[in-house]
Amino acid sequence: KQEVTQIPAALSVPEGENLVLNCSFTDSAIYNLQWFRQDPGKGLTSLLLIQSSQREQTSGRLNASLDKSSGRSTLYIAASQPGDSATYLCAVRSGWNYGQNFVFGPGTRLSVLP
Amino acid sequence: NAGVTQTPKFQVLKTGQSMTLQCAQDMNHNSMYWYRQDPGMGLRLIYYSASEGTTDKGEVPNGYNVSRLNKREFSLRLESAAPSQTSVYFCASSEPRGGGSNQPQHFGDGTRLSIL
Repeated sequence: KQEVTQIPAALSVPEGENLVLNCSFTDSAIYNLQWFRQDPGKGLTSLLLIQSSQREQTSGRLNASLDKSSGRSTLYIAASQPGDSATYLCAVRSGWNYGQNFVFGPGTRLSVLP
Repeated sequence: NAGVTQTPKFQVLKTGQSMTLQCAQDMNHNSMYWYRQDPGMGLRLIYYSASEGTTDKGEVPNGYNVSRLNKREFSLRLESAAPSQTSVYFCASSEPRGGGSNQPQHFGDGTRLSIL
């Protein structure tokens, strides 16, 4: 059974710092990995999706990397801003089946202090 | 830009009552999903619908039923609510391509449900 963990559970940094969020998964046979942002009381917003054949994806100040063999992904946020404060979740999709193979991590709660 | 719309946003029920959570998407997506989110446990899949007319169980289907009314709408029903079903419920949709999906899931804002 696929299990996804995220470390740290919470992180507080001063504005302007570069930071890394970690996601680990137990079964390396994945189809893709997706990073989401969740603001309090809101749904999930997709940030980046990395297919199994890719090593990284970039969007603005965000860069996500994927190392399937070690079961790890990182989300790098450059020059953090208070508006980046949110919970960040990763989700792994295994195989070609739908739905049943999406597994989410518990999230990392990020606070960026002005 | 409506995306995925869920109703209601909040609901309080008594144990044993029934209710239906509604979800609609306007992106012409084929696949739709229902998740529940509980503190410290991440999101867990309840049911999904790969296409109109089909539904399948996810990780935690007990106590729930679903209906894929048409391509746009996917509802979740609690027949006899229990306190353990107190949670935040999210609906999501995505567009599969070629037998698998490399498209992101799009989420609604959630329904916060409390069972007393």
